[in-house]
Amino acid sequence: ETGVTQTPRHLVMGMTNKKSLKCEQHLGHNAMYWYKQSAKKPLELMFVYSLEERVENNSVPSRFSPECPNSSHLFLHLHTLQPEDSALYLCASSQGRITDTQYFGPGTRLTVL
Amino acid sequence: KNEVEQSPQNLTAQEGEFITINCSYSVGISALHWLQQHPGGGIVSLFMLSSGKKKHGRLIATINIQEKHSSLHITASHPRDSAVYICAVNKTGNQFYFGTGTSLTVIP
Repeated sequence: ETGVTQTPRHLVMGMTNKKSLKCEQHLGHNAMYWYKQSAKKPLELMFVYSLEERVENNSVPSRFSPECPNSSHLFLHLHTLQPEDSALYLCASSQGRITDTQYFGPGTRLTVL
Repeated sequence: KNEVEQSPQNLTAQEGEFITINCSYSVGISALHWLQQHPGGGIVSLFMLSSGKKKHGRLIATINIQEKHSSLHITASHPRDSAVYICAVNKTGNQFYFGTGTSLTVIP
């Protein structure tokens, strides 16, 4: 399998649930990213892992918790989400620097009830 | 105010028309990206620019660093070009800002 894959593609969860989003890249890249895309809003960069070092957007609530066990895998752990967290969550990877071309996964459409 | 502004927000064109989408930004940047998002969410990175002009097939991207402005041009537009086009900039460091996108519909 090639490129950037994300699972699940769709997720519906209640506010008390705990779930995780998974991203895997098969490009040999060293940096991975989580983005949030809400309706009619700009893409929001949530987290960056570059060579397994994490860079956070300070505006992201603590109910979102990223994990990067190695350079090919990235998780986004979700707990006690709010309905306003419903959005498309996109994973991307790049060679190493944030300025390198980023390759995106298909996204996970999340609905919080 | 968003650090990245795109215009127009929505654009409808006839097949074959020449299309221009504009992006203006207000911060110092190390690179600018043009992204294409198709219905369903998948995003493709079209160009990464730090100066000048790049061309790929029917797509051309230009950037003027002094004026803090970039344009994406599509020549001989086709219905399969219908998508949302997003401008994004890397500020120095790890900050990354995105425009709200331009929704393009090309009518046969």
